[in-house]
Order: sequence, then C-alpha cells, then structure tokens
Amino acid sequence: DTAVSQTPKYLVTQMGNDKSIKCEQNLGHDTMYWYKQDSKKFLKIMFSYNNKELIINETVPNRFSPKSPDKAHLNLHINSLELGDSAVYFCASTSRGSSYNEQFFGPGTRLTVL
Amino acid sequence: ELKVEQNPLFLSMQEGKNYTIYCNYSTTSDRLYWYRQDPGKSLESLFVLLSNGAVKQEGRLMASLDTKARLSTLHITAAVHDLSATYFCAVDRSNYKLTFGKGTLLTVNP
Repeated sequence: DTAVSQTPKYLVTQMGNDKSIKCEQNLGHDTMYWYKQDSKKFLKIMFSYNNKELIINETVPNRFSPKSPDKAHLNLHINSLELGDSAVYFCASTSRGSSYNEQFFGPGTRLTVL
Repeated sequence: ELKVEQNPLFLSMQEGKNYTIYCNYSTTSDRLYWYRQDPGKSLESLFVLLSNGAVKQEGRLMASLDTKARLSTLHITAAVHDLSATYFCAVDRSNYKLTFGKGTLLTVNP
C-alpha cells in the first residue's frame, strides 16, 4: 500500500523520559512534516524537511529534534517529556513539484505523558 | 501572520438538511484545502482549491473559493449520518506550510 506510516501508534510514558516517533512515506514525495494536534483538535505545524534539509522550524521547544535520514523518512525525538507534550503527532508528506502540493497524513501517534 | 477562522465550530444537523461551513483567511494565499477527520483517525484530503471561483464537488459535499473575499465554503447537501466528522480548512501561502482552522465538528442526527 502506498501511504504515510508512523510508529508507534500509541506511546505512554513517564515525565522526564526520552522517546522517538518514526515516519515513513512511500509516495515518492520530497517534503515531510510533523504536526501536533492538541486535545482541542487544533493542528499546528512543527517542522518540515525537503530532501533531508530542514525548511520549516516553528517555535517549538528545543527538546524536540527532528531528523531526516533520507527523503522517505522523518523521525521526531523528544527529550525530557513534559505533561504538555501529550497530544497526537501527525506526519505528512507532499511533493513540492506538484501543482496541488496536497499533503498526505499518516495515522498519527497518540503520546500520553504521565 | 496568517489567521484561518472557521465557523461554526460545532454543527448539529438533521439528516436530509443542507448547511454550509465557512472558512475565512486573513492574507492572500495560493491554495486552500479541506480535510476530513473521523474520531481517532488521520486527516483525509477532500478538496484542493487553487484559484478564484474554483468549485469542486464530491458526492454531497461541494467546496468553493472566493480569493477576493478570502473565503471558502464547504456546502453539505442532504446530509447523511456518514458525514459526521470534523472538517478542517487549511491555507498555504506558497511556503508549503499549512495553517489550519480550528475545525468544525459536524454531527448528523437521524
């Protein structure tokens, strides 16, 4: 199946821990994103990579560090997790060369910090 | 800073009725998107609107764009229960960064 996939789907952890979320797309896209959806369903962009280069870096605590080993993968590492980090994190991808630049979203990772 | 406002944020309607969700944005933008999200699920792309006057239809949903008014509408015709979901509009200002509205939670009652 062509898609954007994320692992894990659920992540429950204690405050202060470090965790990672992984994203992979097999759509041949060159641009990938991380979004955070809070408890009120508000979606906000965090980061974007184009061909492994960081192009969007919103005001996000530096405990969050994205990494793109290649243009099909984008990971998100979070250090010293806090209660406020609890949210659903979505990965998305698009092809900047297309006229629509439609973003396709992964299934999400629900992070719960206790 | 680009602001995207949707209204209403909550919409409860009866099956068979028509209604419209509105999406206003504050600055000139290149593309406008509508997404659907079912509870606990991902975002599904519904429509991409590129130019002034663009209208797209899929089943009971029709989206339009007025770039001069900075307004997009999502019109629901003869609603059915399966349309119950949260609908988001999102705007791209040519920097490949989507700014989302707060979403409209639509509940269609029998």
